[in-house]
Amino acid sequence: NAGVTQTPKFRVLKTGQSMTLLCAQDMNHEYMYWYRQDPGMGLRLIHYSVGEGTTAKGEVPDGYNVSRLKKQNFLLGLESAAPSQTSVYFCASRKGNRNSPLHFGNGTRLTVT
Amino acid sequence: AQSVTQLDSQVPVFEEAPVELRCNYSSSVSVYLFWYVQYPNQGLQLLLKYLSGSTLVKGINGFEAEFNKSQTSFHLRKPSVHISDTAEYFCAVNFGNEKLTFGTGTRLTIIP
Repeated sequence: NAGVTQTPKFRVLKTGQSMTLLCAQDMNHEYMYWYRQDPGMGLRLIHYSVGEGTTAKGEVPDGYNVSRLKKQNFLLGLESAAPSQTSVYFCASRKGNRNSPLHFGNGTRLTVT
Repeated sequence: AQSVTQLDSQVPVFEEAPVELRCNYSSSVSVYLFWYVQYPNQGLQLLLKYLSGSTLVKGINGFEAEFNKSQTSFHLRKPSVHISDTAEYFCAVNFGNEKLTFGTGTRLTIIP
């Protein structure tokens, strides 16, 4: 029973490099989300998806892109990493009804030097 | 604007003492309310949720929360804390759309 799996767990990038974070869920959830967590700021929504082939911007989308080509996967891309993107990234998923809780992955710790 | 406020960023409590973590939200619409817990170096786990019905909701690990519509609050309580309750606690609200809005979190530290 894997739930939500994020890869990689840790990554160090140099400024300007690119990378993709992978999120996979095996619960057949319609909705998927990418958050970043920074000290004192809680969780901030980057992008989200309400179904395969659809994505939408959250509150802090700049510098990130996403794709949801398959229902079970949600990819987060950093085109040109900046030190301000040093953070812990969490993926989450849930069923489509409003009262469904989010299920979270264990996070990816990204450092940009 | 719809927002979730957790006024206490850190709460130190002696072991076996009671604790209350406060959460207020700004909306008059029908909402769904959640509390999540994050243990060190882990993702967030659902602690409890209020959807409808009784305003007192019981969750895992002995926690409970009370929904107060008139005060737009959803405070989390535990009558006697343990060392293992050391974690960060997040209040979250669904205001009726696709997204969940989180508070900034309260770090609970248990003092032996």
